[in-house]
Amino acid sequence: GAVVSQHPSWVICKSGTSVKIECRSLDFQATTMFWYRQFPKQSLMLMATSNEGSKATYEQGVEKDKFLINHASLTLSTLTVTSAHPEDSSFYICSARDGRNVDSIYNEQFFGPGTRLTVL
Amino acid sequence: AQSVAQPEDQVNVAEGNPLTVKCTYSVSGNPYLFWYVQYPNRGLQFLLKYITGDNLVKGSYGFEAEFNKSQTSFHLKKPSALVSDSALYFCAVRDYGGTALIFGKGTTLSVSS
Repeated sequence: GAVVSQHPSWVICKSGTSVKIECRSLDFQATTMFWYRQFPKQSLMLMATSNEGSKATYEQGVEKDKFLINHASLTLSTLTVTSAHPEDSSFYICSARDGRNVDSIYNEQFFGPGTRLTVL
Repeated sequence: AQSVAQPEDQVNVAEGNPLTVKCTYSVSGNPYLFWYVQYPNRGLQFLLKYITGDNLVKGSYGFEAEFNKSQTSFHLKKPSALVSDSALYFCAVRDYGGTALIFGKGTTLSVSS
């Protein structure tokens, strides 16, 4: 089946530093990748949608200058949390979809295992 | 706007009993409906989806879900619960031609032995 990986799985950083999270589709080409944020015992909140080679589309209330998303290839997207602060601590989950054929089985999204970010 | 409602924060069942986790949706056009399960500190695992066809969808780990268009519901069911089914369950929706999934708030399933 389709596999999505994330790296790192857990990161602790000091306030003010930047953290990069990688999301990779391992066995399919991800034309679209999504970044979600999840607070403890809460639902996933969509942060942004990125299509390969294009600028990401951010959801309302998400600061694009703080959460930099790059989707430079069909297998890799990165989320960089710039100048991280304790309130950015969260569980970040990416997902990927091959949207080239709207009727294909790969129309569904496949999720990475998540990255736990703790900002001290 | 698309939305998904999971009216129960928590569902408690005894092992061996049937379980139901409720989900209702609101979407323009025909919906694509999904159920995912999440274990602590893990990503989401796909259980099943409804795109078209039979209203009863069978998925992973013995789960199934029934699509009811008139009630705009897509409840998750399992005939006999296992302790290992204890987890956080999310219902999600995406309308045809849409992109990202919109998730419900999640329902914690607790199965006691």
